Amino acid sequence: AQSVTQPDIHITVSEGASLELRCNYSYGATPYLFWYVQSPGQGLQLLLKYFSGDTLVQGIKGFEAEFKRSQSSFNLRKPSVHWSDAAEYFCAVDSDLKAAGNKLTFGGGTRVLVKP
Amino acid sequence: DAGITQSPRHKVTETGTPVTLRCHQTENHRYMYWYRQDPGHGLRLIHYSYGVKDTDKGEVSDGYSVSRSKTEDFLLTLESATSSQTSVYFCAISPTNTGELFFGEGSRLTVL
Repeated sequence: AQSVTQPDIHITVSEGASLELRCNYSYGATPYLFWYVQSPGQGLQLLLKYFSGDTLVQGIKGFEAEFKRSQSSFNLRKPSVHWSDAAEYFCAVDSDLKAAGNKLTFGGGTRVLVKP
Repeated sequence: DAGITQSPRHKVTETGTPVTLRCHQTENHRYMYWYRQDPGHGLRLIHYSYGVKDTDKGEVSDGYSVSRSKTEDFLLTLESATSSQTSVYFCAISPTNTGELFFGEGSRLTVL
């Protein structure tokens, strides 16, 4: 069965420091991969996505992610964190590429706290 | 913000009662989704729709039904609510099947 693992439940980072969030997936082929962000009390917003091609993808708000097939990973990074980046981040995988829509499987999320 | 409205935003109900959550969009998007969010589980897909009267099950569809009689509305029904269905429910919409979903603000349901 499809699964997505985000090993870190909470991460605390100082403002201006770099951030890396880990995501590992279990899937038989190269899936479609996504990172979403959720601010408190809000719905989710797409940060970036990977379908194929260049394994380093750029997203909004200065985020980037790297797909590593050999490690089944899709880690999210930001070189310098701002206080507004405090949120919960979700990695997701499209679990059924033959379905009519997107059947996304989400990881459990990583909550990021930014220290001043 | 994408034109998505979920109603009600908060509801408390008792075990065994029926509950319907409504998702209304003004974007004319083809795809609509219902997810539930629970701590430690991320979001889990309940049902989705890829057109009027066209729906499919997600990974946690037991105990839920959906209907989409027109493009703008996607209803999620709990026929007989249970305490395990206490959750935050999110509706999402998308114009395509490329994975960019636009989420509503969520509906918090408490089943006592």
